Order: sequence, then C-alpha cells, then structure tokens
Amino acid sequence: ETGVTQTPRHLVMGMTNKKSLKCEQHLGHNAMYWYKQSAKKPLELMFVYSLEERVENNSVPSRFSPECPNSSHLFLHLHTLQPEDSALYLCASSSGSPTPYEQYFGPGTRLTVT
Amino acid sequence: AQSVAQPEDQVNVAEGNPLTVKCTYSVSGNPYLFWYVQYPNRGLQFLLKYITGDNLVKGSYGFEAEFNKSQTSFHLKKPSALVSDSALYFCAVRDSPLYGNNRLAFGKGNQVVVIP
Repeated sequence: ETGVTQTPRHLVMGMTNKKSLKCEQHLGHNAMYWYKQSAKKPLELMFVYSLEERVENNSVPSRFSPECPNSSHLFLHLHTLQPEDSALYLCASSSGSPTPYEQYFGPGTRLTVT
Repeated sequence: AQSVAQPEDQVNVAEGNPLTVKCTYSVSGNPYLFWYVQYPNRGLQFLLKYITGDNLVKGSYGFEAEFNKSQTSFHLKKPSALVSDSALYFCAVRDSPLYGNNRLAFGKGNQVVVIP
C-alpha cells in the first residue's frame, strides 16, 4: 500500500455514459496528478494540481474534466469518451518543490470504453 | 525540457544473474533522477532516487542505481535477479519545479523478464 487509493479499480462504460474516477491520498501531500497509461506508449501526464489549483493541463480533450475539492481528493470526470480512451488511469501525489520528492502512485483504474 | 531515454524494450536475464536496466538523461541544471517499478495490474512503486551525494544509490528490494554525470546515465542494477523481479521498470527525471509540484518526465519503460 502506497497511501494512495483509487476507485473503482475497473470500469466499463459506453461512449454516451458519464462516470467519475476517484483518488484519495493519506500522505499529507499537496500536489496530485492524473496519468494515462496505454499499452506500448509512454506514461502521459494529463493534469497537475498543486494546493488544490490546477497548474497544468497537457492538451487533454475536454471530455476529461478534473476536480480537486481538497488536498486529499482528486476526481476525473468522464463523458462521451472514445474507444481510444481505454487505458489504465493512474493517480499520484507528492510533496511540493523545491525539495525533489518522489511521487506515490495509486493502483490505477482500468477503463474500457465500448 | 528534461527527458530520459530507456533504450531497450525488454531485458531478459537468468535468475541469479546480475540485472541492469539502462537509462540516460537530458537536463538543464541539477538532475533529480528516479526509478519506479510496475507489477502487473498495479500502479508504479518508487524504488530509489538520486538527488545529490554518493553516485551509488541504494533502494528497495536490493536494487541500486549508479549516477554517472559524464555519461549522463542512471542505470538500475541488482546483483542477483529473482523471478519476482519480472516487471516493468521506469526511469524518470524531475521536470520544471513550477508551482509547487514535483512534475516528472518518464521514460517509456523496460520490461524485465527473469528466466527461472
């Protein structure tokens, strides 16, 4: 256990559905991240939140909508997804800079879009 | 921007033999380097990091990594591989430390297969 939990672990949704992924960290960190991991591709950073403010959005389509209500919780709201959005979605957290702290990852949500 | 390269897609090694997973980096400024491991259907687990100090860094599960500034490398090593070390290994470098976060740039990962 890394102190970062994600629910659900598996999700199957149709292209017209709306669903949300949840991430919770119990480490007292102040930065949280969403990554997309697809087979045979590098890890893609999607969003970065620092002190509950979004500081980075790496050209992610608007069908992905993040929310960070407090420093311990991070959501990824999904709507009208495409089959190519099927992937493992990973959440991570870390302490802030300037000290180079490592990120701690959750187990991920395996998303399948049908 | 900072980046890392992991030149091999897969590393095969016999159980009990030394394991090396290669990583080279490109940074402007001080390199802050990390290794992570991912087992099937799991998230990434932190193994070790280099910030400053000794070039040989020791981490979890008997792994170590050697920082080589002249070769811009940070290779991961284990003296004697176990079948349970079979997993996906990622090298990462801290990217621009803006806005109070520790953004990382990851390599594409190396699949390690330890053969019994």
